[in-house]
Amino acid sequence: RKEVEQDPGPFNVPEGATVAFNCTYSNSASQSFFWYRQDCRKEPKLLMSVYSSGNEDGRFTAQLNRASQYISLLIRDSKLSDSATYLCVVGHNDMRFGAGTRLTVKP
Amino acid sequence: DADVTQTPRNRITKTGKRIMLECSQTKGHDRMYWYRQDPGLGLRLIYYSFDVKDINKGEISDGYSVSRQAQAKFSLSLESAIPNQTALYFCATQSQTSNQPQHFGDGTRLSIL
Repeated sequence: RKEVEQDPGPFNVPEGATVAFNCTYSNSASQSFFWYRQDCRKEPKLLMSVYSSGNEDGRFTAQLNRASQYISLLIRDSKLSDSATYLCVVGHNDMRFGAGTRLTVKP
Repeated sequence: DADVTQTPRNRITKTGKRIMLECSQTKGHDRMYWYRQDPGLGLRLIYYSFDVKDINKGEISDGYSVSRQAQAKFSLSLESAIPNQTALYFCATQSQTSNQPQHFGDGTRLSIL
């Protein structure tokens, strides 16, 4: 079983849609959680950290459920520019990456 | 200028050759990492370092070695390259303050023929 698992997608949604991604992790001692965005053939870039109480940044909302060992990312009012691969990252002594969820937002 | 710089950006070489990928950073971070990314597999950790001279194996260290002679530099070597080491390689840095995110270089696209 992979340490960090994500639905690979692809998710194809129209502009304006709301889309949610989930990610599960196996190490219950994990201490840090992040969502990264990666455009094709580019480096991953931090989208947002995920805090225990949940947090929001504009159209993006991240949630953490330690009991069930998953994190989620909700994107509201999708834009064409949101098209990318979204990586779930979980940290303990080092960082482990999910394989990513591919999102395509269409006009 | 980029905070995390990888060189070269692209490299094509032959099986059996020795290759070194360089990473330098101006962020002043103690922690540095090397990953490889393959389609459908996400990023996999090769080696990481929490300080100068500190070296730790990641998930897939076989066939690779690293050197951390200075805080700002972390190099990855393939002693005898093989075709299945063809991949996109990323260097990342991280502050030692707990629960901080990583910051990535632009990546090195490596092809082994």
